[in-house]
Amino acid sequence: NAGVMQNPRHLVRRRGQEARLRCSPMKGHSHVYWYRQLPEEGLKFMVYLQKENIIDESGMPKERFSAEFPKEGPSILRIQQVVRGDSAAYFCASTSWGSNTEAFFGQGTRLTVV
Amino acid sequence: DQQVKQNSPSLSVQEGRISILNCDYTNSMFDYFLWYKKYPAEGPTFLISISSIKDKNEDGRFTVFLNKSAKHLSLHIVPSQPGDSAVYFCAASEAQNNNDMRFGAGTRLTVKP
Repeated sequence: NAGVMQNPRHLVRRRGQEARLRCSPMKGHSHVYWYRQLPEEGLKFMVYLQKENIIDESGMPKERFSAEFPKEGPSILRIQQVVRGDSAAYFCASTSWGSNTEAFFGQGTRLTVV
Repeated sequence: DQQVKQNSPSLSVQEGRISILNCDYTNSMFDYFLWYKKYPAEGPTFLISISSIKDKNEDGRFTVFLNKSAKHLSLHIVPSQPGDSAVYFCAASEAQNNNDMRFGAGTRLTVKP
């Protein structure tokens, strides 16, 4: 039973390029969270999705960032026109539907903008 | 807005002693609380949780206490071991809000041999 899979583990982008981060949830999980961890900081909530629906995107920057979780395939966090300040570790977590359930995290994608 | 707060960025404890990590929250609608442990270059891993209907949950060396009136929870590790050295994140979720989950900023625990 594979856990939450994130790829790539490391991603280097030049300023102005696009970054696509993928997250495949655990089998049977229908909900995905994305968190960002800046160097020396904690986990900052970005977005919470279920398949084909964004539940809460209150943590997403208003511009350049978008997320989706299609009916088929992984969840994608997309960052357009990356800037140096986007360099961070991006973690995805998945959970099944229902109350009192823990979320399981992937290994993260470390994005470096040069 | 920071709904879950861990006010101590770091904690250092001697091996064999008790480690107490604290967490405060502001949203009274949170009804499920979790602790995660994170090593460098890895994703957080689930450690222990507690429902709002309880005030204590114990799992081996780890015990979580919940004080709903104070909106405070704590994680006790006893006895502490050097392998416990990691960053510990407190998290809270709200069932009525689709289990939307928020994390604290983390506390870095160092257990000295």
